[in-house]
Amino acid sequence: DGGITQSPKYLFRKEGQNVTLSCEQNLNHDAMYWYRQDPGQGLRLIYYSQIVNDFQKGDIAEGYSVSREKKESFPLTVTSAQKNPTAFYLCASSTNRGQHGYTFGSGTRLTVV
Amino acid sequence: AQRVTQPEKLLSVFKGAPVELKCNYSYSGSPELFWYVQYSRQRLQLLLRHISRESIKGFTADLNKGETSFHLKKPFAQEEDSAMYYCALYSGNTPLVFGKGTRLSVIA
Repeated sequence: DGGITQSPKYLFRKEGQNVTLSCEQNLNHDAMYWYRQDPGQGLRLIYYSQIVNDFQKGDIAEGYSVSREKKESFPLTVTSAQKNPTAFYLCASSTNRGQHGYTFGSGTRLTVV
Repeated sequence: AQRVTQPEKLLSVFKGAPVELKCNYSYSGSPELFWYVQYSRQRLQLLLRHISRESIKGFTADLNKGETSFHLKKPFAQEEDSAMYYCALYSGNTPLVFGKGTRLSVIA
């Protein structure tokens, strides 16, 4: 069953801690993306990767980091430098550059306590 | 820079009434436009693409390059259409740019 899986579904973080959100896809998609979804803000791009071992910053990359060591995986680390990390994080993947649209994961809700 | 504007945060309509969710874009080239939908507790999913010119769940959208718009329409709203709708723009060299979304509420 092909798809894109995000884990965990819910994550709680203490202030000052780094946390890593997992995103795995078995669609054989080249490109992967991380978006942040906040009420009234829509989807804002954090990072994206169009090929293994390469990634680019999106519009709101500060306080986040990523890696792309495998085609199937694109983990996102929310660092302690991210001032307002409480949000819903969405991972997506696409063929080539995404001209056919994206497939999205079910999201991870991160809450800072 | 590319930009997508969805002017309505919330749109409420009665069941059976026509629906139009507005989307305007800013891009000087030839865009590809998409509508995505997010039902409650479900993942974001592609509703339709302008290039395929198809109708999904009774929804249609026509790209109007003169008005730089891609409004989503349905002649008769159903309760199950209640969801968050996002318009998105693909310009060829950057990831999809999304609008801020419109929450559609269909009242029985």
